[in-house]
Amino acid sequence: ETGVTQTPRHLVMGMTNKKSLKCEQHLGHNAMYWYKQSAKKPLELMFVYNFKEQTENNSVPSRFSPECPNSSHLFLHLHTLQPEDSALYLCASSPPSGGNEQFFGPGTRLTVL
Amino acid sequence: GENVEQHPSTLSVQEGDSAVIKCTYSDSASNYFPWYKQELGKRPQLIIDIRSNVGEKKDQRIAVTLNKTAKHFSLHITETQPEDSAVYFCAAFVSGGYQKVTFGTGTKLQVIP
Repeated sequence: ETGVTQTPRHLVMGMTNKKSLKCEQHLGHNAMYWYKQSAKKPLELMFVYNFKEQTENNSVPSRFSPECPNSSHLFLHLHTLQPEDSALYLCASSPPSGGNEQFFGPGTRLTVL
Repeated sequence: GENVEQHPSTLSVQEGDSAVIKCTYSDSASNYFPWYKQELGKRPQLIIDIRSNVGEKKDQRIAVTLNKTAKHFSLHITETQPEDSAVYFCAAFVSGGYQKVTFGTGTKLQVIP
């Protein structure tokens, strides 16, 4: 356990559904990240939040919408996804400045039908 | 943007032998280089990291070397054991104020007993 939790662990949704992924950490970290992990592809950084402010958005389609209400919680809202969005979505957090180690959550395995 | 190349994509070694995985990066501003191990069905976990002001770092059977001039860094695992079998990812970070991170494509290491 790294102290980063994600729910749900598995999610199956249709292309017209709306769902949200949740990430939570109580490690005192100030930076939180969403990654997409697809088979045979590198981990893709999607969003970065630093002190609740979004600092990176790596050209992610608007059907993915992040939300960071506080430094302990991070959401990824999903709507009108495509089958190619099926992947493992990993959340990570990292300590305040000076430390860059990322602590990953267990991931949400998403299947879009 | 940053480009990280990782080789080989798969690696099989006999138990007790050494394994070496290499990564190259393109952005000279990258200053933090972690290595993550991901076992099947589990989250990535940091195994060793190195910063740009250091050339080599060792932790028991694991070592990482960094050549800033050539923009490459390598993971060395000595006396490999079956439990070392996993996918290993390198990454290159530009940190300071906000963080940009690019991961390599991963190396699947198999240690044959």
